[in-house]
Amino acid sequence: EAGVAQSPRYKIIEKRQSVAFWCNPISGHATLYWYQQILGQGPKLLIQFQNNGVVDDSQLPKDRFSAERLKGVDSTLKIQPAKLEDSAVYLCASSLRPGRTEAFFGQGTRLTVV
Amino acid sequence: SQELEQSPQSLIVQEGKNLTINCTSSKTLYGLYWYKQKYGEGLIFLMMLQKGGEEKSHEKITAKLDEKKQQSSLHITASQPSHAGIYLCGADGRETSGSRLTFGEGTQLTVNP
Repeated sequence: EAGVAQSPRYKIIEKRQSVAFWCNPISGHATLYWYQQILGQGPKLLIQFQNNGVVDDSQLPKDRFSAERLKGVDSTLKIQPAKLEDSAVYLCASSLRPGRTEAFFGQGTRLTVV
Repeated sequence: SQELEQSPQSLIVQEGKNLTINCTSSKTLYGLYWYKQKYGEGLIFLMMLQKGGEEKSHEKITAKLDEKKQQSSLHITASQPSHAGIYLCGADGRETSGSRLTFGEGTQLTVNP
């Protein structure tokens, strides 16, 4: 069974530029999560999708971050414009359903904003 | 929102020693997950606990969820260098569907040969 795929693996951009990350969850997984993990901290949930609907985006900085999951499969997370403090690893995860089941994580995208 | 506190923040042990990592929640836990993360990589699922008093083991790693369902512990017996990494506890915030999966700050484990 293929795991959660993320791309790119690494990205370096200058502040005020835009960047997009892509995630392909495990086939059949209805729930998709995007997390931001700053070095030395635990993952922080940015947004949670159930199929193509948003379940929770309370911690997403909506003035600069956006995410979509068209057709309830792949998802993209965009930052526009990027700030230095956005430097982090962005993790995508998926699960069969929300809650009471394990989530499977991709390798993450390491973003460096200079 | 649910907060998870892990202790210790970091741990250095000699190979062959036993160790315990704790995870304490500010609210009742309806689902508690343990993950392991190697530096710069994604999280690897270890175990899920749902019932108070539940205990699960995989190879030399045992996790328990206490009866009051607000604390979990992860115990490693006879540690090996392959156990090194960051251990994260995660939790479902609510009993019903649609719950948010949140994480603690992690425990950095170093095992010296």
